[in-house]
Amino acid sequence: DADVTQTPRNRITKTGKRIMLECSQTKGHDRMYWYRQDPGLGLRLIYYSFDVKDINKGEISDGYSVSRQAQAKFSLSLESAIPNQTALYFCATSDGTGVAEAFFGQGTRLTVV
Amino acid sequence: SQKIEQNSEALNIQEGKTATLTCNYTNYSPAYLQWYRQDPGRGPVFLLLIRENEKEKRKERLKVTFDTTLKQSLFHITASQPADSATYLCALDPSGGYQKVTFGIGTKLQVIP
Repeated sequence: DADVTQTPRNRITKTGKRIMLECSQTKGHDRMYWYRQDPGLGLRLIYYSFDVKDINKGEISDGYSVSRQAQAKFSLSLESAIPNQTALYFCATSDGTGVAEAFFGQGTRLTVV
Repeated sequence: SQKIEQNSEALNIQEGKTATLTCNYTNYSPAYLQWYRQDPGRGPVFLLLIRENEKEKRKERLKVTFDTTLKQSLFHITASQPADSATYLCALDPSGGYQKVTFGIGTKLQVIP
């Protein structure tokens, strides 16, 4: 089983719909992140969380919200999806002990039509 | 503004040769630099981390150099194999806390048998 699991893997949704992407991890890490990846732009941080009671905005949080339901679960919501939110979304975790590599999920390919 | 540059053009190399990928940055003082591998439709996978006070780091067939004067990191894969074909991302971290890591757009490496 993967250390970081994202669901769904692929999703097509209509403009204006609410959609939730889910992430769960078995690494036991406190820190979790949501990124989006667009061609030519690289990975950009949407939100991050250092523990269940800590939520922080990243570089591009507008139009998104998150919920940290437990240490192992971090979900990303698009309240009213728009076409320019079409992208590849990744969840990641890292530990909080200092210099840390990140462990990424397999990604969710989201298309907003 | 901070900028990371990786070769946007794909790099094609013959099997068995050494592949060298470049990561240049401006307006940035990273304390750490990381390299990740990303296969199509998959999440990035951590490869190596190098600190600002380290000149070189090795892991099996991989070698990373970090020149803070030139503001450049080189990533080498020796005795390249077709299985090394992927996109390689560099990531700059100013503090080791990961939440401020900035990713480059990646360089696609194709190893030709």
